[in-house]
Amino acid sequence: EVQLVESGGGLVQPGGSLRLSCRASGFIFSSYDMHWVRQAAGKGLEWVSAIGTADDTYYPGSVKGRFTISRENAKNSLFLQMNSLSAEDTAVYYCTRALFGFGAVPTFDYWGQGALVTVSS
Amino acid sequence: QSALTQPPSASGSPGQSVTISCTGTRSDVGGYDYVSWYQQYPGTAPKLIIYEVTKRPSGVPGRFSGSKSGNTASLTVSGLQAEDEADYYCSSYAGSKGVFGGGTKLTVL
Repeated sequence: EVQLVESGGGLVQPGGSLRLSCRASGFIFSSYDMHWVRQAAGKGLEWVSAIGTADDTYYPGSVKGRFTISRENAKNSLFLQMNSLSAEDTAVYYCTRALFGFGAVPTFDYWGQGALVTVSS
Repeated sequence: QSALTQPPSASGSPGQSVTISCTGTRSDVGGYDYVSWYQQYPGTAPKLIIYEVTKRPSGVPGRFSGSKSGNTASLTVSGLQAEDEADYYCSSYAGSKGVFGGGTKLTVL
């Protein structure tokens, strides 16, 4: 059974940093592109980042230069390092597995339960 | 503001059909056949129900169907059931990035 379990969410002050982790199981992690998607309370989904099997990375303009996606295949783990956080980054962050293995195609067949990140003083 | 435009709400009675639109540009919906649709119930993660415009993952009922014309993709739910009441989001590949619609709340009357 495919499982994605996020951790590392919490409360952080504006301008601060936070690192999210996602532990994957039930599939060959190294063979799949992985993405992060976020959702602010009562709002829609927003694509945050993607990493390919060759460690190629992709970001939207809203987080480029502040967020860094990475993976450690030996530990079946995905990460999101978030710096210079602002209130606009407050959201539930989902770890997702991509159905397609090229680029930033936002087709996700499995989602984690989400990790809440709150940016507030 | 979301990159793709969806109506905020849609509704229909049980047994009826409802269509939700998702409008983008030539740079996303119109340029690629990588449009997906997700269903989300409150407090839960989204679920993939349509991918590559028209394809349904295993286990998704056949009354969910997708289509695309130009820069607009559509999700049709036929034979509405009470359990279809949820939020629906479209997404599209946009060349080195992914984009979502703002979501549509589907109400079954």
